[in-house]
Amino acid sequence: DQQVKQNSPSLSVQEGRISILNCDYTNSMFDYFLWYKKYPAEGPTFLISISSIKDKNEDGRFTVFLNKSAKHLSLHIVPSQPGDSAVYFCAAITQGGSEKLVFGKGTKLTVNP
Amino acid sequence: DARVTQTPRHKVTEMGQEVTMRCQPILGHNTVFWYRQTMMQGLELLAYFRNRAPLDDSGMPKDRFSAEMPDATLATLKIQPSEPRDSAVYFCASGTRVYEQYFGPGTRLTVT
Repeated sequence: DQQVKQNSPSLSVQEGRISILNCDYTNSMFDYFLWYKKYPAEGPTFLISISSIKDKNEDGRFTVFLNKSAKHLSLHIVPSQPGDSAVYFCAAITQGGSEKLVFGKGTKLTVNP
Repeated sequence: DARVTQTPRHKVTEMGQEVTMRCQPILGHNTVFWYRQTMMQGLELLAYFRNRAPLDDSGMPKDRFSAEMPDATLATLKIQPSEPRDSAVYFCASGTRVYEQYFGPGTRLTVT
């Protein structure tokens, strides 16, 4: 049973436009959420995170939005660049709980020049 | 630039053979994680250690997988005997907090 779901395996956008990657979760105990980015032949790298006490966190071109009532978060990349082409993983955790990050299956983003 | 290192980067082996994957965590990181990535399941946590003690290995098939930390600079993941369904990319990650994890480049395992 997938507790963290990324329902779009892939997404393709034009350079300069907005990329929106979505993530849904089922466990209401999750209270901290992260996005990781992964290039081919490399390990995932941390991108941005958000605590459940917030509904938005911004870092440069990357913004994560959290809708707790819908158990949904999204990652916005504006403007998208070809170097953003990668697989993006959503992850969630219950702080003070099991201490295990639960990952989604990932969304492959392709930004076309 | 401190990084997690993993060896080997690629491993092809025949079914039934023993496979050992190694990880050197970033110096000073007291938590080490082993993950497996497959197309079907995505990134799954297999096991993790804190201060070299195993905290959780519930994600690992116990009959064939084992994970150890002989010392603070080395973590190992062993599969014996290996099976074709073990084919995946295995990642090691280290950190000081569970939500700050630095991943290695992975070991791509193919079992024929």
